[in-house]
Amino acid sequence: SQTIHQWPATLVQPVGSPLSLECTVEGTSNPNLYWYRQAAGRGLQLLFYSVGIGQISSEVPQNLSASRPQDRQFILSSKKLLLSDSGFYLCAWSVGQGDEQYFGPGTRLTVT
Amino acid sequence: GIQVEQSPPDLILQEGANSTLRCNFSDSVNNLQWFHQNPWGQLINLFYIPSGTKQNGRLSATTVATERYSLLYISSSQTTDSGVYFCAVEGYGGSQGNLIFGKGTKLSVKP
Repeated sequence: SQTIHQWPATLVQPVGSPLSLECTVEGTSNPNLYWYRQAAGRGLQLLFYSVGIGQISSEVPQNLSASRPQDRQFILSSKKLLLSDSGFYLCAWSVGQGDEQYFGPGTRLTVT
Repeated sequence: GIQVEQSPPDLILQEGANSTLRCNFSDSVNNLQWFHQNPWGQLINLFYIPSGTKQNGRLSATTVATERYSLLYISSSQTTDSGVYFCAVEGYGGSQGNLIFGKGTKLSVKP
C-alpha cells in the first residue's frame, strides 16, 4: 500500500532563517505531488505541484520554492523565512489529474 | 476560479444524533473529495465522489453534479467524529490537481 511521510512534524524558526521541508511517498511510481498550506482556522491553499522529476509549477507568488530531485521526493524550501510563512504545510499525492489526493501528516511551522 | 461554500460553519451535536453537511460549488468539477481533519491536523480521506452516492459505515455522501452540490451524512454520531470536515473540488482545465477547499464545517459531538 502507499504511504506518505513528512518531516519534521513541527518546526520553530526565526525570521530570516532558511527552510527545508521534506515529503516522500512509498508504494507508487511517478505520482503527482503537491504542497498545500493551511493558515490558522482556514482551508488549504495549493502552493506547488509536480507531475514529474524536475517539473514544478507554482500556484501563488511567494517566498517559497519547491524541488523534486527524485521520483517520490518533494522538497519545500525558503532562503529567508518571513513571519507570514507560518502555517501548517501538507504534502499530498495522486495518480494523476482528477484522481483522489492523499495527504501526509503535515508540518507545523512557526516563524518567530 | 471555482468557489466552494460549506454549511453550516459550526455544528454541535449530542452523541447519537444524525447530521447533514452541505457543499455548494460554482462550476463543473473533475474531482470532489470530503475530508475529516482530526485534532492533530491529519486530513483523513472520507469520500472521492465527483458524482453519485457512496456509503462507508455510518457515513455516506451524495454529489449531484448537475446541481453543483454535495452532501455528507453522518449517522449515530460519536465523539470521535468531532473535528473539521472539508469539501474540496478540482475544476476542469486550469492547474493540475488544484483542489479548491471550502472553509469547512467544525463539528463538536458531546457525550
